Amino acid sequence: DSGVTQTPKHLITATGQRVTLRCSPRSGDLSVYWYQQSLDQGLQFLIQYYNGEERAKGNILERFSAQQFPDLHSELNLSSLELGDSALYFCASSVTAGGSTDTQYFGPGTRLTVL
Amino acid sequence: SQQGEEDPQALSIQEGENATMNCSYKTSINNLQWYRQNSGRGLVHLILIRSNEREKHSGRLRVTLDTSKKSSSLLITASRAADTASYFCATPTGAGSYQLTFGKGTKLSVIP
Repeated sequence: DSGVTQTPKHLITATGQRVTLRCSPRSGDLSVYWYQQSLDQGLQFLIQYYNGEERAKGNILERFSAQQFPDLHSELNLSSLELGDSALYFCASSVTAGGSTDTQYFGPGTRLTVL
Repeated sequence: SQQGEEDPQALSIQEGENATMNCSYKTSINNLQWYRQNSGRGLVHLILIRSNEREKHSGRLRVTLDTSKKSSSLLITASRAADTASYFCATPTGAGSYQLTFGKGTKLSVIP
């Protein structure tokens, strides 16, 4: 158990809908990262927050947004969902803002299925 | 885009044998990390090797890094059925090296 929690574990929804994925980092970790894992694209970094502020952005679609709240939990909002958004979404956390030797601890993921 | 590429894509061995997985990457790195993922579950950090290190051990794991060839290998000795998983190499990329870029992984099956 990494100490990172994600809810829900599974989410099934229809195209065009909007969903919110939630992540609670390990106690004491200030950074939260979001990743998407799909069969065709593999593991892709989406976005990072550090202590409430956006720190780095990766291959995140404009239909997706995230935020980190004062209690450090984070939410990833996915809107206007398409079939291709079906994937495993992982949250990870680390102690610092990141950088070359910071270990990221991953949550169990949320499996999103768009029908 | 993929920074690391693992080889082979899949590997099947008998319990007790050693498993070797390789990773190649494209750009200069400060470190390289290996993660394990059991089927459909979260990733578990295994080991980190810095660019000034050539070899690192952790239990039954041995990681080597050759920065001149931009490659790394992960050796699992005396494999067990519980080692069955996908293994990914990852490198910090992007401005400030905040994000990890993962390869597509090696799927290891250890047959009891």
